Amino acid sequence: DGGITQSPKYLFRKEGQNVTLSCEQNLNHDAMYWYRQDPGQGLRLIYYSQIVNDFQKGDIAEGYSVSREKKESFPLTVTSAQKNPTAFYLCASSIQVYSNQPQHFGDGTRLSIL
Amino acid sequence: QKEVEQNSGPLSVPEGAIASLNCTYSDRVSQSFFWYRQYSGKSPELIMSIYSNGDKEDGRFTAQLNKASQYVSLLIRDSQPSDSATYLCAVNQSPGNTDKLIFGTGTRLQVFP
Repeated sequence: DGGITQSPKYLFRKEGQNVTLSCEQNLNHDAMYWYRQDPGQGLRLIYYSQIVNDFQKGDIAEGYSVSREKKESFPLTVTSAQKNPTAFYLCASSIQVYSNQPQHFGDGTRLSIL
Repeated sequence: QKEVEQNSGPLSVPEGAIASLNCTYSDRVSQSFFWYRQYSGKSPELIMSIYSNGDKEDGRFTAQLNKASQYVSLLIRDSQPSDSATYLCAVNQSPGNTDKLIFGTGTRLQVFP
């Protein structure tokens, strides 16, 4: 089945540690996105990518990094510079940017600090 | 002013009733509008898209769009306890900008038997 796979489902980060969240899609979508969701808040855009080897900062990019080496994959690294990383992280994809098409989400990764 | 506003709720309705969820947005030239359902602890799931003024029906769900008044609503007919979830309104900003969805904070719906 086509879809978006995020792993792991739960992740724990130690002080000073970088962690990487995986996002893979087999929908043949050009555009991919990373959001962060905190309790009682809407989704906030961290980074997005329109095409392979290209990505743009969203509203809250500080303390995060991404890469887009393959169309199917858009991993997110939460660096030690992100002082409040505890949140629900959601990866999404859409057919292409500027398409007015909806975004579809993976199941999410819940990140906590040890 | 928030770009996309929703009443956080909870909105409580009895089983079988119509649930009405509302959303207002600030970008007058927004062109595409989406409703997502999010169960507790789960990711958002797309349930409706609407692009032009008027009503769009899909099963028990009806999305209504009024661009002049800058609001979009979701009606759920014959509400079921399984409809209990948070409903997120998302608005795509005007073309020429990024393909950026702006999400509201969501309305929590509770359907009681």
